[in-house]
Amino acid sequence: DAMVIQNPRYQVTQFGKPVTLSCSQTLNHNVMYWYQQKSSQAPKLLFHYYDKDFNNEADTPDNFQSRRPNTSFCFLDIRSPGLGDAAMYLCATSRQTGRGTEAFFGQGTRLTVV
Amino acid sequence: DAKTTQPNSMESNEEEPVHLPCNHSTISGTDYIHWYRQLPSQGPEYVIHGLTSNVNNRMASLAIAEDRKSSTLILHRATLRDAAVYYCIPGNSGNTPLVFGKGTRLSVIA
Repeated sequence: DAMVIQNPRYQVTQFGKPVTLSCSQTLNHNVMYWYQQKSSQAPKLLFHYYDKDFNNEADTPDNFQSRRPNTSFCFLDIRSPGLGDAAMYLCATSRQTGRGTEAFFGQGTRLTVV
Repeated sequence: DAKTTQPNSMESNEEEPVHLPCNHSTISGTDYIHWYRQLPSQGPEYVIHGLTSNVNNRMASLAIAEDRKSSTLILHRATLRDAAVYYCIPGNSGNTPLVFGKGTRLSVIA
């Protein structure tokens, strides 16, 4: 059974039209991450939550926001998508133990901007 | 974040062992060494992690140099399903998130 679920798998949005990607987890993990992955590149960390504490990467554009209303759900909001935001968006979770930990990734949402 | 150096690509014959190297010379004393892989059109998946001692699991083995500045992921018998990009990621101890480097693209030839 899938433990990190991303919906939808494919999302098409119009240039400049706000879009929200969702992620849910059944693992009760403390940490949730959002990554952006463009074609033939490594996943790039956008931000992560440690419980309710939000941690934004310094180079994440302001156009990208996130919400975590509860432990199970996390959302990625792109306020005004540009053509350069077309990518695979990956959600991941982990339980931070301070002893090295396994992260679990969703299948990703592929975003197309038209 | 500790910087990593991995070969861009490697090739292996099916059913042969594969040794995937990673240099992480700036690793801190408390950083674990994690390996993830990403199969085509899928999210990354955990392979193995270790701190100082060599580690084995059902997927692979991890050999860590004594000075911890390098490590090697060992696939004992490569299969076509092992074709993926393999990422070596130091860190994620305490509250540090996973930061991916460029990884090694492994091709497996039948």
